[in-house]
Amino acid sequence: AQSVAQPEDQVNVAEGNPLTVKCTYSVSGNPYLFWYVQYPNRGLQFLLKYITGDNLVKGSYGFEAEFNKSQTSFHLKKPSALVSDSALYFCAVRDGGTGRRALTFGSGTRLQVQP
Amino acid sequence: NAGVTQTPKFQVLKTGQSMTLQCAQDMNHNSMYWYRQDPGMGLRLIYYSASEGTTDKGEVPNGYNVSRLNKREFSLRLESAAPSQTSVYFCASSTSGTNNEQFFGPGTRLTVL
Repeated sequence: AQSVAQPEDQVNVAEGNPLTVKCTYSVSGNPYLFWYVQYPNRGLQFLLKYITGDNLVKGSYGFEAEFNKSQTSFHLKKPSALVSDSALYFCAVRDGGTGRRALTFGSGTRLQVQP
Repeated sequence: NAGVTQTPKFQVLKTGQSMTLQCAQDMNHNSMYWYRQDPGMGLRLIYYSASEGTTDKGEVPNGYNVSRLNKREFSLRLESAAPSQTSVYFCASSTSGTNNEQFFGPGTRLTVL
């Protein structure tokens, strides 16, 4: 079975400071990992993904994520937070070893960036 | 490109009523999905369709049926709505292949009284 954990319901950060949103996963095969962002009353928007290759993945809006196989983590990061980054962030995983198409999502982390 | 569109945006039903949620995509994607989003639980997969003519159950299929009408359209039907089906429903689509990101519609907020 595949699963994702986002241990923080909410992350608060001041504008201009670096931010990290944590994600850990569990799969039996190779993980395909994704980050999505959801703004109020909107659908989810794709930010970035890790399939293979470089452990540091760069995505939209200045976000990046680091894949750590030994810690089974895929934390989302940004060097300098903006107030407009305030939103709900979801980590998702698919087990690349099974061919299963379904994504499993974490419960989400609300990012609040204070001016 | 409109991307993924969903209708209606909002709906209120009484227990036992039926309704169909519509989803369409104009990105020529083979795969389409229906999720529900409940507070504190992330998104859970209801059904998906890997390609036109095929559908498969996801994590929470009970109480729902789906139809992949053609490559563009994937509908979700509640035959006899229950209060436990109060949720926000999202449709998504993707190209074939398990490493491809999904594109989401704006959602339908459903309340069952």
